[in-house]
Amino acid sequence: QKEVEQDPGPLSVPEGAIVSLNCTYSNSAFQYFMWYRQYSRKGPELLMYTYSSGNKEDGRFTAQVDKSSKYISLFIRDSQPSDSATYLCAMSAGSARQLTFGSGTQLTVLP
Amino acid sequence: KAGVTQTPRYLIKTRGQQVTLSCSPISGHRSVSWYQQTPGQGLQFLFEYFSETQRNKGNFPGRFSGRQFSNSRSEMNVSTLELGDSALYLCASTGGGRSGTDTQYFGPGTRLTVL
Repeated sequence: QKEVEQDPGPLSVPEGAIVSLNCTYSNSAFQYFMWYRQYSRKGPELLMYTYSSGNKEDGRFTAQVDKSSKYISLFIRDSQPSDSATYLCAMSAGSARQLTFGSGTQLTVLP
Repeated sequence: KAGVTQTPRYLIKTRGQQVTLSCSPISGHRSVSWYQQTPGQGLQFLFEYFSETQRNKGNFPGRFSGRQFSNSRSEMNVSTLELGDSALYLCASTGGGRSGTDTQYFGPGTRLTVL
């Protein structure tokens, strides 16, 4: 079993929809949680960074971490076609430079 | 500020050969991490270099090695290539400061195909 599980999708939604992306993990030592966005043929780009449990909001994006359930989420409000990409969750125990990634969820937002 | 650059962007090699990939971090960044991305295994951590020293290492065979130069540029080497080494190799740089608070900036990757 992988340390981080993420539904690979693909997920297809209409423009303007609220998107919910999720990851579960098994390593209770994880305390830094990130969401990356990766466009085709590009490197991952950091979207959200959260330390320990709680919520964090940045524009249309909200990240939630529930350490008791070992579950993290990313919500995208008012989704746009430009949000179409692969979304990767990532987490680490002690070093943000040694990340464990989920397999990524491929999202398509239809105009 | 220029981003992370990786060269070459594409490589085709045959089994048994060796390959060297290069990464130039963002100016001022001292930490460079390498990852392998494949459709089956996703993104997997290879190793991290800081101030010319390997600081962390993932679970990859010894055929995968790296180094970092005094200007923070890093190279990754894979010897005796296997078909399964075909992947996108990503480099990420950070400032290397207080652990857990750094942001990793990824380069565009080098796509390696092993025939």
